[in-house]
Amino acid sequence: DGGITQSPKYLFRKEGQNVTLSCEQNLNHDAMYWYRQDPGQGLRLIYYSQIVNDFQKGDIAEGYSVSREKKESFPLTVTSAQKNPTAFYLCASSMGTGGMKETQYFGPGTRLLVL
Amino acid sequence: LAKTTQPISMDSYEGQEVNITCSHNNIATNDYITWYQQFPSQGPRFIIQGYKTKVTNEVASLFIPADRKSSTLSLPRVSLSDTAVYYCLVGEGYGGSQGNLIFGKGTKLSVKP
Repeated sequence: DGGITQSPKYLFRKEGQNVTLSCEQNLNHDAMYWYRQDPGQGLRLIYYSQIVNDFQKGDIAEGYSVSREKKESFPLTVTSAQKNPTAFYLCASSMGTGGMKETQYFGPGTRLLVL
Repeated sequence: LAKTTQPISMDSYEGQEVNITCSHNNIATNDYITWYQQFPSQGPRFIIQGYKTKVTNEVASLFIPADRKSSTLSLPRVSLSDTAVYYCLVGEGYGGSQGNLIFGKGTKLSVKP
């Protein structure tokens, strides 16, 4: 089955702790994205990557970091600098170098909660 | 930047046709119009995309007038399973400084029996 997987489904973070959310795709897509969704709100772009070893900040990158060492993987780290991390995190990918014209395929999401 | 405006919510009944209109007065020449559907606690799913006139697929139709300042997503004969949030996106580029990759609050469609 081709698609995007995210793990874990639920993640709990303690104060001052860094946590990493996994995102893997086997669609052979070049572009990958991370979004944050708060209750009753739309999606906000955190980071995106058009190609391996390159990524760009989105609208709300502060307190987050990413890496893109492999085409199929785009992990997101929520650092202790992110003071309000409780949200639903969605990873997506698209075929080419990205942009609005391309269909984005989303993973099932990870819900992050702060203890 | 092509900002979009959609109704916050809409109600419908099973079997009816639903039309959701999105306003995008500042749409640029190279911008496409894309609609996504999102169920609770799931990632959004692509529905349809268009540039001008009318586009139809097995799920929906998208109507775009000549001036492209608005677009209408049409869902024929909705069922309870169409209850979801529908997002209208307009743009060509990415987020960040370009700010085009913006999912607003969307339109929450509630289909009743």
